[in-house]
Amino acid sequence: KNEVEQSPQNLTAQEGEFITINCSYSVGISALHWLQQHPGGGIVSLFMLSSGKKKHGRLIATINIQEKHSSLHITASHPRDSAVYICAGGSQGNLIFGKGTKLSVKP
Amino acid sequence: DAGITQSPRHKVTETGTPVTLRCHQTENHRYMYWYRQDPGHGLRLIHYSYGVKDTDKGEVSDGYSVSRSKTEDFLLTLESATSSQTSVYFCAISAGTGVNSGNTIYFGEGSWLTVV
Repeated sequence: KNEVEQSPQNLTAQEGEFITINCSYSVGISALHWLQQHPGGGIVSLFMLSSGKKKHGRLIATINIQEKHSSLHITASHPRDSAVYICAGGSQGNLIFGKGTKLSVKP
Repeated sequence: DAGITQSPRHKVTETGTPVTLRCHQTENHRYMYWYRQDPGHGLRLIHYSYGVKDTDKGEVSDGYSVSRSKTEDFLLTLESATSSQTSVYFCAISAGTGVNSGNTIYFGEGSWLTVV
């Protein structure tokens, strides 16, 4: 069983929809990272959080330490948001990655 | 964008040949990582380094070795490539005391390796 689980695995949305991607982890972590991987492969760090909530533009990330759960929200989704979103927990010096959520936003 | 360069970006090699992938950073970050990414798996750690000549194994280190003789360079070597090592390899860097302490991680563009 993967120690970091994401849901859903695949998500298709219409432009403008509000999107939520979930991440649950079973290990103790010191920080939770959200990453974005575009077609073509490049991986970009979106957020790193250890408590509460962070917002950057249309992206919002939240974490509940007690419930070992984090969510990534995208408001007013756009086709350029189409990518794979990956969460990863920092544990014992390294990151444990989820398998990713593939998001496709249709115009 | 963090200054991370991976080379080569694409390589096809034959089974049994040695292969070295290079990661070069211009950020002077202490931590450097090599991951592999395969369908059906999340990114998996191969090896990482926490300083010059200081390295440690990750969860999928068998068949790989690394070296870090300078802060800016982290080399990944496949001593005798096998088909199971066909993958996309990502280098990453992190400042301070590493990702476990909440430092941001930055990734290179990836190296596509095919072993035939």
